[in-house]
Amino acid sequence: KAGVTQTPRYLIKTRGQQVTLSCSPISGHRSVSWYQQTPGQGLQFLFEYFSETQRNKGNFPGRFSGRQFSNSRSEMNVSTLELGDSALYLCASSQGGGATYEQYFGPGTRLTVT
Amino acid sequence: AQSVTQLGSHVSVSEGALVLLRCNYSSSVPPYLFWYVQYPNQGLQLLLKYTSAATLVKGINGFEAEFKKSETSFHLTKPSAHMSDAAEYFCAVSRSSNTGKLIFGQGTTLQVKP
Repeated sequence: KAGVTQTPRYLIKTRGQQVTLSCSPISGHRSVSWYQQTPGQGLQFLFEYFSETQRNKGNFPGRFSGRQFSNSRSEMNVSTLELGDSALYLCASSQGGGATYEQYFGPGTRLTVT
Repeated sequence: AQSVTQLGSHVSVSEGALVLLRCNYSSSVPPYLFWYVQYPNQGLQLLLKYTSAATLVKGINGFEAEFKKSETSFHLTKPSAHMSDAAEYFCAVSRSSNTGKLIFGQGTTLQVKP
């Protein structure tokens, strides 16, 4: 079974631009969560989607948005990029939308904002 | 609000020695607790999880953790360290079974010396 895939793996953008990151969950998984990982703030929760519905949202500005499609694939968008948005963005998928389901993480997308 | 504290951002052990990585949580109710490992340039891999069944949880690669409610701790141990255990380890908590949202500790980098 293929794992969680994230595209692109690396991305360089300029301040003020916007970016879209993609996550394809494991086949059959209906839940996708996104996390931001930085050296200073560590791993921080961004969003959780289950069957196309956002179930949870972390404490991030409105510039960060996401969505989930009917095939469970998910995208996150960051508008008006800031230098502080440079981070590793991790996506995780699970069969269900609860803590009892194991979450499988993708390798991440490394975003660098210059 | 729930939080997770990992004591020690860096831990160094000799190959063959005991590995002990400390994690304390703050929660008004017994949470769901997890340990993840992250190797360089990779996503997170679940080592083990506590979901209110047995208090001693066995995971992959010889790791185990004991849930101690009285100490609000969930320390990770391994009897004998291998060079391949060198990585960053994260303790995480989830507040309920209805969400996959994870709150992570700051991480502990494990160094294994030959």
